[in-house]
Amino acid sequence: DAKTTQPPSMDCAEGRAANLPCNHSTISGNEYVYWYRQIHSQGPQYIIHGLKNNETNEMASLIITEDRKSSTLILPHATLRDTAVYYCIVSAGGTSYGKLTFGQGTILTVHP
Amino acid sequence: DAGVIQSPRHEVTEMGQEVTLRCKPISGHNSLFWYRQTMMRGLELLIYFNNNVPIDDSGMPEDRFSAKMPNASFSTLKIQPSEPRDSAVYFCASSLRRGTGGGNEQFFGPGTRLTVL
Repeated sequence: DAKTTQPPSMDCAEGRAANLPCNHSTISGNEYVYWYRQIHSQGPQYIIHGLKNNETNEMASLIITEDRKSSTLILPHATLRDTAVYYCIVSAGGTSYGKLTFGQGTILTVHP
Repeated sequence: DAGVIQSPRHEVTEMGQEVTLRCKPISGHNSLFWYRQTMMRGLELLIYFNNNVPIDDSGMPEDRFSAKMPNASFSTLKIQPSEPRDSAVYFCASSLRRGTGGGNEQFFGPGTRLTVL
């Protein structure tokens, strides 16, 4: 699976949009981009995933560049409860299905 | 649905003892994953099952670790004998695999915090 690069930490003011970047320049055509987050002392939580097109759900939006070499997770109105470690993961289906390789992620701190 | 259930939530044991961690996946899910998380190594995939069959156990650290899934609603991760370096938080996750494509939404349990003295 392709490797991802994320900034180690970011800050965001409560109520503002949080934009978390991820670079995955070696991504293959069949690899999806996934975002998970882990709030302190809890299990990771799935946020969103995409292949080529931008995606939106009730939690966040995922913007994938046209060349698919980078993406941005957007939390439109960050709250204090969004403070967590955010992981960007690239993974394929097929025989690699299930192999989520977690990196160090981005520690997002939302402050009042 | 109650989500993925793990037991015990905390386990303290002495070196050399056998430890068994348990997991009940979400009903209807056909894939189950065991992860380990430490400060030094982060979150690592140990093994995963599809339809109760182990698919990839390349992440299992050594022969002291074994995992079973006797049926669709139960899995165990056993460490025998345990060592202090096995101290970590162990997570179980489940998902519904549809074909061979992507869409790998995994639901994680609360984890078991293991301390080996």
